[in-house]
Amino acid sequence: AQKVTQAQTEISVVEKEDVTLDCVYETRDTTYYLFWYKQPPSGELVFLIRRNSFDEQNEISGRYSWNFQKSTSSFNFTITASQVVDSAVYFCALSEDGSSNTGKLIFGQGTTLQVKP
Amino acid sequence: DTAVSQTPKYLVTQMGNDKSIKCEQNLGHDTMYWYKQDSKKFLKIMFSYNNKELIINETVPNRFSPKSPDKAHLNLHINSLELGDSAVYFCASSQGLRVFGSQYFGPGTRLLVL
Repeated sequence: AQKVTQAQTEISVVEKEDVTLDCVYETRDTTYYLFWYKQPPSGELVFLIRRNSFDEQNEISGRYSWNFQKSTSSFNFTITASQVVDSAVYFCALSEDGSSNTGKLIFGQGTTLQVKP
Repeated sequence: DTAVSQTPKYLVTQMGNDKSIKCEQNLGHDTMYWYKQDSKKFLKIMFSYNNKELIINETVPNRFSPKSPDKAHLNLHINSLELGDSAVYFCASSQGLRVFGSQYFGPGTRLLVL
């Protein structure tokens, strides 16, 4: 069964601290995609990154970086030098690309990040 | 230009009423989705359409009826609204049924049933 677990419900940091948001997934498929979305207080869902299961290279985009490890079924997200504008709910999601793929995203429960000035 | 738009943004209504939420995307995508986000922020797929054909129906009560008049639109009609229907409903779109393209979400419709 597909499942995404974000064990951290809420995280609070002070500005300029680094913070890592954990994501652990379960899937039987060998081909799948992992995503991170940001939901700021205004409520919209903002796409951050998509990763396929064959690409375990870590990715960096500005202050954001992602660590994908198939061995531990984890796709963690790190924000370096956090800023108040990073305060949001962050969702990790999984989609499988098997023969029965329907394109649906399975979301984790979300992690609420609060960055204090 | 808004890529995925939803109307209305807010919807407050009485129990038992029927209401519709509209979604339009101008990204040229052929697949559209409805997700529901409950009060605990949990997001769950409800429906998806690919080229106007229903692909996913995730055990949603039949009071919910999606309609896709064309690839760029996916509307959600809800009959006999119940208190538990209060949530944020997100529309999304992507290119292709298989997830080669990422899903882009609309701004959400906040539904409150009184």
